[in-house]
Amino acid sequence: DAGVTQSPTHLIKTRGQHVTLRCSPISGHKSVSWYQQVLGQGPQFIFQYYEKEERGRGNFPDRFSARQFPNYSSELNVNALLLGDSALYLCASSLDVVEETQYFGPGTRLLVL
Amino acid sequence: KNEVEQSPQNLTAQEGEFITINCSYSVGISALHWLQQHPGGGIVSLFMLSSGKKKHGRLIATINIQEKHSSLHITASHPRDSAVYICAVLLNTGNQFYFGTGTSLTVIP
Repeated sequence: DAGVTQSPTHLIKTRGQHVTLRCSPISGHKSVSWYQQVLGQGPQFIFQYYEKEERGRGNFPDRFSARQFPNYSSELNVNALLLGDSALYLCASSLDVVEETQYFGPGTRLLVL
Repeated sequence: KNEVEQSPQNLTAQEGEFITINCSYSVGISALHWLQQHPGGGIVSLFMLSSGKKKHGRLIATINIQEKHSSLHITASHPRDSAVYICAVLLNTGNQFYFGTGTSLTVIP
């Protein structure tokens, strides 16, 4: 079975642009979470979606938004990119929302110039 | 102040040594995860704990809910164990994870 997949694997953008990152969860998983990992630091929680509804949000500005589709795949959108948005963006899926093992995708490495 | 603190930040061990990585947290949690991240970013979930102890191969994870502390032990360490080990807690509200900054482990042959 395929694991969590993310696209693209790498992305280069300039300040002010917007970006859309995509995540496909493991088949049967209904929850998707997004994390930002800046180089040298642990991941920071951005969003959690379950059954197409936002169930959790971390301390990120409104430039960050996400959605989950009927097939449980998800998009993370970031508007008005800043240099500090350069990071590895990780997606993780789990069967359910609470107390479930999360399975991580390989991440999308975003570089903002 | 971080909600999740790990120690040590960096650890170098000789092959075969017993290794302990510690995680302390300051928030109410419903579960704690130990994750392994290899160079390049791939993350693998090792354990999910809400109480007691779990063992998988040479890895052992324990948690003390009262003391808000968890440990990850690696017995008979091997160079392929070299990675960053991250502790993550799920808040007892059930909708947010906090991550530690990770412990970078290098096992020398």
